[in-house]
Amino acid sequence: ETGVTQSPTHLIKTRGQQVTLRCSSQSGHNTVSWYQQALGQGPQFIFQYYREEENGRGNFPPRFSGLQFPNYSSELNVNALELDDSALYLCASSLGRGSRTDTQYFGPGTRLTVL
Amino acid sequence: AQSVTQLDSQVPVFEEAPVELRCNYSSSVSVYLFWYVQYPNQGLQLLLKYLSGSTLVKGINGFEAEFNKSQTSFHLRKPSVHISDTAEYFCAVSDGAGNTGKLIFGQGTTLQVKP
Repeated sequence: ETGVTQSPTHLIKTRGQQVTLRCSSQSGHNTVSWYQQALGQGPQFIFQYYREEENGRGNFPPRFSGLQFPNYSSELNVNALELDDSALYLCASSLGRGSRTDTQYFGPGTRLTVL
Repeated sequence: AQSVTQLDSQVPVFEEAPVELRCNYSSSVSVYLFWYVQYPNQGLQLLLKYLSGSTLVKGINGFEAEFNKSQTSFHLRKPSVHISDTAEYFCAVSDGAGNTGKLIFGQGTTLQVKP
């Protein structure tokens, strides 16, 4: 069974640029959630996708957007990068749509640095 | 909105000593609680979860946690720690609002195991 994978591992961008981060779900999982973890903080929920549709969103501006594909892999896009966007971006997959009891399985994350 | 407070930012302990990492959550009608561990430069790994039933939950790597509804706590314990347990530990609650089951994390506790 393949776990959650993310690419790239590290990324350096400059302010104002755009970035795309990718995530492959664990086999059989149809829900993907994205979290932002700033240095020294706990992860914060960005949004969730279920079967290619957005299923909920946290307190992040519209320049954070996402996609989920038919194979349930996912992308996180961030436009007009700001210095505060520097963080570890975590993807998590789960089996049920928004089920509170489902376990979310996390990938290793993408470390984004904005200069 | 639900919230989680981890009462200690850092917990230093000697190898083979017992440890307790403290977590308090905001009260709710139903609550689902999780503990995750994050090793350096890695994603989050589930240690254990409380959904219902027995208030004492056993997890991986010898960890256990006790759900205490009256004190709104979910403290993590291990009777004897190893150097390899050095990591960041996050307590999280599954949020019922918005039907995403999003996780709300505490700030994290750094467990430093000394030889």
